[in-house]
Amino acid sequence: AQRVTQPEKLLSVFKGAPVELKCNYSYSGSPELFWYVQYSRQRLQLLLRHISRESIKGFTADLNKGETSFHLKKPFAQEEDSAMYYCALKAGGGADGLTFGKGTHLIIQP
Amino acid sequence: EPEVTQTPSHQVTQMGQEVILRCVPISNHLYFYWYRQILGQKVEFLVSFYNNEISEKSEIFDDQFSVERPDGSNFTLKIRSTKLEDSAMYFCASSEGGGTPYEQYFGPGTRLTVT
Repeated sequence: AQRVTQPEKLLSVFKGAPVELKCNYSYSGSPELFWYVQYSRQRLQLLLRHISRESIKGFTADLNKGETSFHLKKPFAQEEDSAMYYCALKAGGGADGLTFGKGTHLIIQP
Repeated sequence: EPEVTQTPSHQVTQMGQEVILRCVPISNHLYFYWYRQILGQKVEFLVSFYNNEISEKSEIFDDQFSVERPDGSNFTLKIRSTKLEDSAMYFCASSEGGGTPYEQYFGPGTRLTVT
């Protein structure tokens, strides 16, 4: 069975500092990896996915199959980045559900 | 922008009672999902639904749970006889398709409290 690990429950950085949210996964096949974000009192929303190779709100994430990681990075944190961040994996190509990590609460201090 | 909606936002029920959680997926979406998040724990997949039948389900989704699309818009999760451990946030999601590159759009959640 697949598993997603986010080792940091809480990450606090100062505005303007770089951010890296860690995500490791275990899955024997070829996974699809996602980052979801949940701002205060809002719903879960997709931030980015590995197949798109895009940068959203300054965030990027690269799938490293050798290290089975999909860390989320941003060079300069902004206060509005404060939120819960969830790494998620989709094992199959059909209607399989997402396997989530426990989430990292990112706090950006002014 | 269309959104997934869920009602009620908070449901309190007594142990042993049946509860139905309701979701209205985005109108042109064909795949529907339920997830739950027990306080302090991760979001867990329960079930996916396509073409009026269950497509995938997790070990959590036992005989106490059922899903239904009673009409063209609603998607419901029923828990037949609630237990204390069913207390959680329940999220509905929908997507246009089942695989890549279809995004799952989440509802705001229903907080279920079993007393």
